[in-house]
Amino acid sequence: DTEVTQTPKHLVMGMTNKKSLKCEQHMGHRAMYWYKQKAKKPPELMFVYSYEKLSINESVPSRFSPECPNSSLLNLHLHALQPEDSALYLCASSQELGGGGMEKLFFGSGTQLSVL
Amino acid sequence: SQQGEEDPQALSIQEGENATMNCSYKTSINNLQWYRQNSGRGLVHLILIRSNEREKHSGRLRVTLDTSKKSSSLLITASRAADTASYFCATDGNNAGNMLTFGGGTRLMVKP
Repeated sequence: DTEVTQTPKHLVMGMTNKKSLKCEQHMGHRAMYWYKQKAKKPPELMFVYSYEKLSINESVPSRFSPECPNSSLLNLHLHALQPEDSALYLCASSQELGGGGMEKLFFGSGTQLSVL
Repeated sequence: SQQGEEDPQALSIQEGENATMNCSYKTSINNLQWYRQNSGRGLVHLILIRSNEREKHSGRLRVTLDTSKKSSSLLITASRAADTASYFCATDGNNAGNMLTFGGGTRLMVKP
């Protein structure tokens, strides 16, 4: 199984809602990532988990809250989002964080989020 | 922050032609990777080239790396309509965690 599965594929939420994005992989990867991608722009790193511990937070607003319940699952909890947070949210995984350089990332298909 | 800049931003060619995309970056790297993304979908890893390598092939893909010029190119030979997608280069070494930073991407359209 070389897949990263993200749910839901599409999400529409109001600014007062609380929702969660889910990501799952069964490749035994120990590093997992959340990226945000606006239309016609490159993905931007939000969070990195390594061995289930938050390793990197790229100064993301607190209305985004990541969680890594176990080595296969990664969640992104959303609360009080703004319309400008509308984007494609991508989850990715890699075998682990490489000290000698980043290995390849396996991406999910993403969640297209619209905040009204 | 964006480490790589890609050129051109958009490229339109006929099926059967070759497509060349270029990537320039600013800081030293351990490796450089190329990814492909179909519209609204996740990214798919194409090829990884390490800083001590100069050229790498994978099927119809050829990647070159010139660390002295801090640049890389991706060549797709004998293009097909199914190659229509956005192509991103990604480099590490631009931040403390050596995380991948993606370039702006080249949108490739291959006309049948």
